[in-house]
Amino acid sequence: RKEVEQDPGPFNVPEGATVAFNCTYSNSASQSFFWYRQDCRKEPKLLMSVYSSGNEDGRFTAQLNRASQYISLLIRDSKLSDSATYLCVVKIGSRGKLIFGQGTELSVKP
Amino acid sequence: GAVVSQHPSWVICKSGTSVKIECRSLDFQATTMFWYRQFPKQSLMLMATSNEGSKATYEQGVEKDKFLINHASLTLSTLTVTSAHPEDSSFYICSARGPRFGEVETQYFGPGTRLLVL
Repeated sequence: RKEVEQDPGPFNVPEGATVAFNCTYSNSASQSFFWYRQDCRKEPKLLMSVYSSGNEDGRFTAQLNRASQYISLLIRDSKLSDSATYLCVVKIGSRGKLIFGQGTELSVKP
Repeated sequence: GAVVSQHPSWVICKSGTSVKIECRSLDFQATTMFWYRQFPKQSLMLMATSNEGSKATYEQGVEKDKFLINHASLTLSTLTVTSAHPEDSSFYICSARGPRFGEVETQYFGPGTRLLVL
């Protein structure tokens, strides 16, 4: 079983749609949780951290359920510029190792 | 602006040659640097973790004699792919972690290096 698993993609949605990504992790000792965005042939960039209380940044809302070991990302009113691969990332261990999910590709169409 | 730089951004080499990739933190001292590899349509996989002045810690399955890591200073780490072969062709990304401008330690990624071994 992969340490971090994400919804298979790609997700093809029209502009303005709401889209949700799911992620599960296997290591119950995971300390921190993030969503990263990776554009084609570029490095990943931090989108937002994820907290148990849930957190929102504009059109983006992230949720964490530690009991279920489940993380989600909701994108409202999607824009063309949201097209990218979204990576679920978990931080574990004393060295702060980041474990990346395989990513979910999002394509927003006009 | 960029926080972590990598050089070169891409390299094409013949099988059997060695390739050195540099990773620099530009405006902070990186206590820890990480090297990742990403094959097409796959996730980033951590190869090794290095702290300045000490030996790198390699992940399971990564050959330390093939992927030489030197973390010579708090702002520079190098990855040398020795005797590269076509199966080493990949996207190599470094990241650097350290307190920047008094912030909580954050991990910043470099722009990556595309290696193609012919």
